[in-house]
Amino acid sequence: AQSVTQPDIHITVSEGASLELRCNYSYGATPYLFWYVQSPGQGLQLLLKYFSGDTLVQGIKGFEAEFKRSQSSFNLRKPSVHWSDAAEYFCCSGGGSQGNLIFGKGTKLSVKP
Amino acid sequence: NAGVTQTPKFQVLKTGQSMTLQCAQDMNHNSMYWYRQDPGMGLRLIYYSASEGTTDKGEVPNGYNVSRLNKREFSLRLESAAPSQTSVYFCASSEAGRDYGYTFGSGTRLTVV
Repeated sequence: AQSVTQPDIHITVSEGASLELRCNYSYGATPYLFWYVQSPGQGLQLLLKYFSGDTLVQGIKGFEAEFKRSQSSFNLRKPSVHWSDAAEYFCCSGGGSQGNLIFGKGTKLSVKP
Repeated sequence: NAGVTQTPKFQVLKTGQSMTLQCAQDMNHNSMYWYRQDPGMGLRLIYYSASEGTTDKGEVPNGYNVSRLNKREFSLRLESAAPSQTSVYFCASSEAGRDYGYTFGSGTRLTVV
């Protein structure tokens, strides 16, 4: 079955430090891949998406992600984290058999002052 | 630019009571979805509607029913609420199916006692 794995449940980084959130997918063909962010008590907001072409994708809020087919990965990065980036981040892929996006279980990001 | 609107935002039910969660989108999207979010479980698809007049079961449909009232509205009904249905419910819509990402509502936090 298709799946999306986010290996890190919780990550803490210092404000101003760089960030990388990991995501691995299992899918036969080239998947459509997404990163969403959920601030506390809020809905999910799309950060960026990858369909095809350039493997480095730019998103909102200074985030980027790189698709690496050889590693089945789509890791999210940000060069310098701000306190407002503290949230939960979800990686997901298209291709669900029931017409749905397949979500990872999420990575909670905490930011230290 | 309302996007996806969910009502109510919070609800407490007694076991056995019924209620309907409302969802409306103003983006002229064809596809709409209902997900539930539980700690450590990520988001799980309850039902979806690929287009007006069609609905299909997702991963966890038991105990729920849906109605796609028109292109804008997609409601979720709990006929006899159970404590296991305590969750945060998200409605989402998509322009052309799962592969283009979703726009999410802000969620309904439901507690069944």
